[in-house]
Amino acid sequence: GAVVSQHPSRVICKSGTSVKIECRSLDFQATTMFWYRQFPKQSLMLMATSNEGSKATYEQGVEKDKFLINHASLTLSTLTVTSAHPEDSSFYICSARALSGHVWDTQYFGPGTRLTVL
Amino acid sequence: SQQGEEDPQALSIQEGENATMNCSYKTSINNLQWYRQNSGRGLVHLILIRSNEREKHSGRLRVTLDTSKKSSSLLITASRAADTASYFCATDARSSNTGKLIFGQGTTLQVKP
Repeated sequence: GAVVSQHPSRVICKSGTSVKIECRSLDFQATTMFWYRQFPKQSLMLMATSNEGSKATYEQGVEKDKFLINHASLTLSTLTVTSAHPEDSSFYICSARALSGHVWDTQYFGPGTRLTVL
Repeated sequence: SQQGEEDPQALSIQEGENATMNCSYKTSINNLQWYRQNSGRGLVHLILIRSNEREKHSGRLRVTLDTSKKSSSLLITASRAADTASYFCATDARSSNTGKLIFGQGTTLQVKP
């Protein structure tokens, strides 16, 4: 299947700092990229949907000023957790999907980023 | 929002046995996907089944889809210890063309050697 990478895989930061996570689709151009958050032993929670060159669409309850998303190209999206606090510690996963005509292809996921805020 | 319900929430079997996981959803869908997640890792895509398909196979995996009952099942045959993971179903709502997936709560499978 297609490959989606995320960087970094693990990051530890101090409270109040900002952290940027990159998501890249390595072998296909993604129409849309998605950002998820996952708490231990729980399912994925969609945070936002991101399309190249346009503003991200955030899910209800997700602070757009807290979680800044930039989608610079068809293969790169970034999530910046601004002024991180310990409650932002979580596993963040991105995914990418291509639209072929009117049909959505498989959604491929990155390996995730473990964020720990001290 | 989570629209999928998966059962069982947890399943423990012996190596060699078959494992069946079920997923139910609420709205009409375009397709349904099954994913596997090993602890602390990203999701690995297993199978995509479209709404006009009833059954799909991939190696030891068999997925069925019953749109009249709004349910799907994932069968893993001849399980191995390496199949130990969490399994999620995810659906594309027909009413939405955003590409968003709605995930079930997942089934945690443990295969004992």
